[in-house]
Amino acid sequence: NAGVMQNPRHLVRRRGQEARLRCSPMKGHSHVYWYRQLPEEGLKFMVYLQKENIIDESGMPKERFSAEFPKEGPSILRIQQVVRGDSAAYFCASSQGQGGTTEAFFGQGTRLTVV
Amino acid sequence: AQTVTQSQPEMSVQEAETVTLSCTYDTSENNYYLFWYKQPPSRQMILVIRQEAYKQQNATENRFSVNFQKAAKSFSLKISDSQLGDTAMYFCAFLSGGGSQGNLIFGKGTKLSVKP
Repeated sequence: NAGVMQNPRHLVRRRGQEARLRCSPMKGHSHVYWYRQLPEEGLKFMVYLQKENIIDESGMPKERFSAEFPKEGPSILRIQQVVRGDSAAYFCASSQGQGGTTEAFFGQGTRLTVV
Repeated sequence: AQTVTQSQPEMSVQEAETVTLSCTYDTSENNYYLFWYKQPPSRQMILVIRQEAYKQQNATENRFSVNFQKAAKSFSLKISDSQLGDTAMYFCAFLSGGGSQGNLIFGKGTKLSVKP
């Protein structure tokens, strides 16, 4: 059973371009979470999705950022018109259920660099 | 709002010795969960240990144990018999008992170096 797969591992974008980050959850997991990690910081929650639904997007910027988790295929975090401040590591996690007794497994992250 | 504070940006320990990483948190809730995650150079976030706030007994996982002081809102991690593979960033995290697993709140981390 493969773990949480994120791709690409590294992504370089020029200012103004779009960035698409993909996350394939572990087999059998229907809950997906996205986090952002700035240098020298801990992870900050962005959005929580369950198949085809956004459950909690309280940590996601209102503009330029969007996330989806379609019925088929990976979850996508999309950043439009990227700016230098978007440079960070973006982590995806998945779990079977929600709540503290269900472990969330993390991917290895995508490091986005905006030049 | 809940906050998690790790006051030790960096620590080092000799191989085979014991080290304790500190974590304090602030919440008005009574039901919550606390976690320690390890992030090695590969950047993969790995769950080390979990504690339910309603349990008085401190959690243990092999060489890893916690000292959970609910009244003091303190949650320290003790690593016994340190190994070179323990070298990593360690993050303390809080989860509200009423929230989804997604609402993990992380501290800024402690960089642990295990020296041979």
